[in-house]
Amino acid sequence: SQQGEEDPQALSIQEGENATMNCSYKTSINNLQWYRQNSGRGLVHLILIRSNEREKHSGRLRVTLDTSKKSSSLLITASRAADTASYFCATVPFTGNQFYFGTGTSLTVIP
Amino acid sequence: NAGVTQTPKFQVLKTGQSMTLQCAQDMNHEYMSWYRQDPGMGLRLIHYSVGAGITDQGEVPNGYNVSRSTTEDFPLRLLSAAPSQTSVYFCASSYTPQIGELFFGEGSRLTVL
Repeated sequence: SQQGEEDPQALSIQEGENATMNCSYKTSINNLQWYRQNSGRGLVHLILIRSNEREKHSGRLRVTLDTSKKSSSLLITASRAADTASYFCATVPFTGNQFYFGTGTSLTVIP
Repeated sequence: NAGVTQTPKFQVLKTGQSMTLQCAQDMNHEYMSWYRQDPGMGLRLIHYSVGAGITDQGEVPNGYNVSRSTTEDFPLRLLSAAPSQTSVYFCASSYTPQIGELFFGEGSRLTVL
């Protein structure tokens, strides 16, 4: 399987704290993407980082990519109760036309 | 724009029955794909298509069939349903994986008895 893995599997924090989740993957990639899934809904794209980028920001989101370690992290700063969701990383191989998803991190933000 | 539309949202089948999950997108995306989501397993790719007339297998294609006769539509067929196919199915589309993100439908929850 080319699925990535996220850790932790579950994370519970207080509102206002930062949340960090990590993604490890197996193959050389073209890009890595992070998605969010609210309970019972489809996934929504958050941010895309290319293999030649090391860090990217979007609002309260900060993504880092270390291709030598085949890993990425997603930081959500100043979390809100509305950030409660599952977060998935997805990789696109350097060659190929697939998106490979990780197993996800379930984030709970306590008001 | 409606984005990606999946139907039905819920379906209950008996073992051995067949059915088709419908997926349509109105964004003129060349790339379309089907995933299944099971607890603790993340999303696993079933089949994908890079354009009309072109389909390919993903990680878990057995028991499923697809076709892509138009850019807009990408139906997923279950040939003879099995309890192991009980899952939530997502259709997703993209301009191209190399530069774009996936847009997801809202999912179809399938139970096979």
